[in-house]
Amino acid sequence: DAKTTQPTSMDCAEGRAANLPCNHSTISGNEYVYWYRQIHSQGPQYIIHGLKNNETNEMASLIITEDRKSSTLILPHATLRDTAVYYCIVRVGDNYGQNFVFGPGTRLSVLP
Amino acid sequence: NAGVTQTPKFRVLKTGQSMTLLCAQDMNHEYMYWYRQDPGMGLRLIHYSVGEGTTAKGEVPDGYNVSRLKKQNFLLGLESAAPSQTSVYFCASSLLAGTPSYEQYFGPGTRLTVT
Repeated sequence: DAKTTQPTSMDCAEGRAANLPCNHSTISGNEYVYWYRQIHSQGPQYIIHGLKNNETNEMASLIITEDRKSSTLILPHATLRDTAVYYCIVRVGDNYGQNFVFGPGTRLSVLP
Repeated sequence: NAGVTQTPKFRVLKTGQSMTLLCAQDMNHEYMYWYRQDPGMGLRLIHYSVGEGTTAKGEVPDGYNVSRLKKQNFLLGLESAAPSQTSVYFCASSLLAGTPSYEQYFGPGTRLTVT
């Protein structure tokens, strides 16, 4: 699976959009981009995933560049509850049984 | 749905003792996983299962055994606990058969301390 690079930490003002970047320059054509987050000591929580097209759900939006070498997770109106470590993972979507490799992620702090 | 549950939530063991961690899911998922997370680190896969009666090694399997006798349960065993196994253990499950959804759903974790 391709390796990802994320900033170690970011701050965001409450109510503003949080834009979390992820670089995955070695991504393969059949690898998806997944985003998870982990709120203090809890189990990781699935946010969103995508292959080529931009995706949106009730939690966030995922913007994938045309060359697929990078992506951005957007939390449109960050709240204090969004303070967490955010993980960007790329893996083959139908590689059954293959684990998700969770790196260090980006620690997002939403400030009042 | 309760989702993914883990038992126990906390445990303290002495070196050499054994224990079993239980993971249960009620989403009829095919795949289940055990991860460990050390302080300040990401998650590392210990073992996983792609179906009832099947298990496979992950990234850090040494010192652990697993069993999946029922589809909804995945057990992680420590036969002879060592201080290096002090960690937070997370169970996860994924893939409802017949759907293209591979995202993993995680339990709340078990905090294990080995003294």
